Amino acid sequence: DGGITQSPKYLFRKEGQNVTLSCEQNLNHDAMYWYRQDPGQGLRLIYYSQIVNDFQKGDIAEGYSVSREKKESFPLTVTSAQKNPTAFYLCASSASTRSNQPQHFGDGTRLSIL
Amino acid sequence: AQSVSQHNHHVILSEAASLELGCNYSYGGTVNLFWYVQYPGQHLQLLLKYFSGDPLVKGIKGFEAEFIKSKFSFNLRKPSVQWSDTAEYFCAVNAPTGRRALTFGSGTRLQVQP
Repeated sequence: DGGITQSPKYLFRKEGQNVTLSCEQNLNHDAMYWYRQDPGQGLRLIYYSQIVNDFQKGDIAEGYSVSREKKESFPLTVTSAQKNPTAFYLCASSASTRSNQPQHFGDGTRLSIL
Repeated sequence: AQSVSQHNHHVILSEAASLELGCNYSYGGTVNLFWYVQYPGQHLQLLLKYFSGDPLVKGIKGFEAEFIKSKFSFNLRKPSVQWSDTAEYFCAVNAPTGRRALTFGSGTRLQVQP
């Protein structure tokens, strides 16, 4: 059953700590995305990757980092520089970054600060 | 830069009432338009999409949307809502040029009362 798997479902971060959110897809999609969802603000783009070993900053990339070493994996690291990391994080993928390609979403990771 | 506005933040309807959720986008060129739905506890799912052709598009579960280019709008409609339509609805736009990722509106929370 193809899809996107995000883990963990819930994550807690201590002050000054980096944490990494996992995103794996078995859809054979080239493009992958990370969004942050806050109440009343919809989804905002953090980073996206069109292909392996390539990624681009989105609207709110500060305090985050990503890597794309494998086609199926696009982990997101929330660094200590991100001062307000409490949010719901969604990973998505699409066959390509062509604008008519719909995105498929994972179930999300909810990050909270201890 | 492209942007999306959803003016209805929270809508409450009774079952069998008709639904129309507003979506306006800001972009001067050709766009591709999407509506996504997020049911409670589930991941974001594609409801319908518009690329070109007939401006009235039909999606899953009886939803439809009309693209009106002169008004930069892509409103979502359903003639008769059901309790199971309770969810959050997001309008999104993607342009063939520039950034290769979706821009989302802030979302509309729909509550259908039995």
